[in-house]
Amino acid sequence: DGGITQSPKYLFRKEGQNVTLSCEQNLNHDAMYWYRQDPGQGLRLIYYSQIVNDFQKGDIAEGYSVSREKKESFPLTVTSAQKNPTAFYLCASSPSPKTNQPQHFGDGTRLSIL
Amino acid sequence: DAKTTQPTSMDCAEGRAANLPCNHSTISGNEYVYWYRQIHSQGPQYIIHGLKNNETNEMASLIITEDRKSSTLILPHATLRDTAVYYCIVRALNTGGFKTIFGAGTRLFVKA
Repeated sequence: DGGITQSPKYLFRKEGQNVTLSCEQNLNHDAMYWYRQDPGQGLRLIYYSQIVNDFQKGDIAEGYSVSREKKESFPLTVTSAQKNPTAFYLCASSPSPKTNQPQHFGDGTRLSIL
Repeated sequence: DAKTTQPTSMDCAEGRAANLPCNHSTISGNEYVYWYRQIHSQGPQYIIHGLKNNETNEMASLIITEDRKSSTLILPHATLRDTAVYYCIVRALNTGGFKTIFGAGTRLFVKA
């Protein structure tokens, strides 16, 4: 089945440690996105990519980094500079954002600090 | 992207229609209305979207008022599994429309 796979489902980070969250899609979508969700709140955009080897900062990019070396993959690194990384992280993809087609989401990675 | 306003929570009896309203009074002519839902600890699930005509799919119906300032998502026969947070989002197709803005949504409780 086509879809978006995020791994791991749960992740624990020690203070001062960088961690990388994986996001893979087999929908042949051009655009990919990373969101952060805090308890009881909506989603906030971290980074997005419209095409391979290109990405832009969203609303809360500080302390995060991404790469887009392949169309299918858009990993997110939570760096030690992110002072409050505990959250639910969601990856999404869509055909070109210049169409009306919706974004589709993975099932998320829950990151916690030890 | 235009801002949306939704009730914080709603109840619905199982088997009855659930009607979830959304106000988007500042919507522009090129902005679409999208609905998603999120069940606890899962990613948001796309439900339906439209521009100005009413839309229906296997999950739900979307009714958009003629002036496009509000819309209603209708789940025709709600089940317990429809209990979730429902998000109404307005998004344009221009270069500023790369992100989907999610607010707090409406928490729908379907009761037996």
